[in-house]
Amino acid sequence: AQTVTQSQPEMSVQEAETVTLSCTYDTSENNYYLFWYKQPPSRQMILVIRQEAYKQQNATENRFSVNFQKAAKSFSLKISDSQLGDTAMYFCAFMKHSFMNRDDKIIFGKGTRLHILP
Amino acid sequence: DTGVSQDPRHKITKRGQNVTFRCDPISEHNRLYWYRQTLGQGPEFLTYFQNEAQLEKSRLLSDRFSAERPKGSFSTLEIQRTEQGDSAMYLCASSLARQGYTFGSGTRLTVV
Repeated sequence: AQTVTQSQPEMSVQEAETVTLSCTYDTSENNYYLFWYKQPPSRQMILVIRQEAYKQQNATENRFSVNFQKAAKSFSLKISDSQLGDTAMYFCAFMKHSFMNRDDKIIFGKGTRLHILP
Repeated sequence: DTGVSQDPRHKITKRGQNVTFRCDPISEHNRLYWYRQTLGQGPEFLTYFQNEAQLEKSRLLSDRFSAERPKGSFSTLEIQRTEQGDSAMYLCASSLARQGYTFGSGTRLTVV
C-alpha cells in the first residue's frame, strides 16, 4: 500500500520569504503522479502543482516549484516570494498510474499548516 | 459550469438519524470521488465512480454508508444510523483521467 508522509505539521515564515514543505512517500510502483494541494481556511481544496514520475524535469507553476527525487521518494514544494494568501494547509498526495485505469484514487498526507506572517 | 457543487454545506443531525449528501461534478468529468476529512487530517478515500459504476470502496466505508451515482451524473452519499464518529467534512471531487481532482467545498456533518 502506498503511504505519504509530511513530517512538518506546522510552519511559519515571513511574507516574501521562500519556504520549502517536505514530503516523502512509499510505493513499489514505477509510474505514478504526485500532487500538492492547498486548502485555505474554510475554503475548498485546490490543486497547486502536479508531477508525473516518468518526467525528470521538476514541475513549476509561477511561484511554486517542486524538487522531485524519485530514488529518494521525496517530493518537496518550494514557495518563493510567499504571500499572505499562501496561508493554508498543504497536502502532498500520490496517485499510482494504472494501465487499466481502474485504480486512480489519490492518497493524501496529513498536511502541513503554513502560516505566512506579515 | 461553476465547478463541483456539494449540498448541503452543513448538516447537524442527531445520533441514529440518516443523512444524505449530494454532489454535482463538473459535467465532462467521468470520475467522481468521495473523501472524508476530520479536523487537522488529510482527506481519506471512501469510494469512487467511473460514470455510474462504483469501482472501489474503502474499508472505512461501513455497511451504514452507501453511495450512488445514477446515470453517471450527480452522486449521493447516505449514512444510516449516524454515530458521533461520523462527524467530519465529506468531500466530493471529480476528474478526467489522471489530471488531478477538482474538489467541492464539502459538507460538514456534525452528529450530536
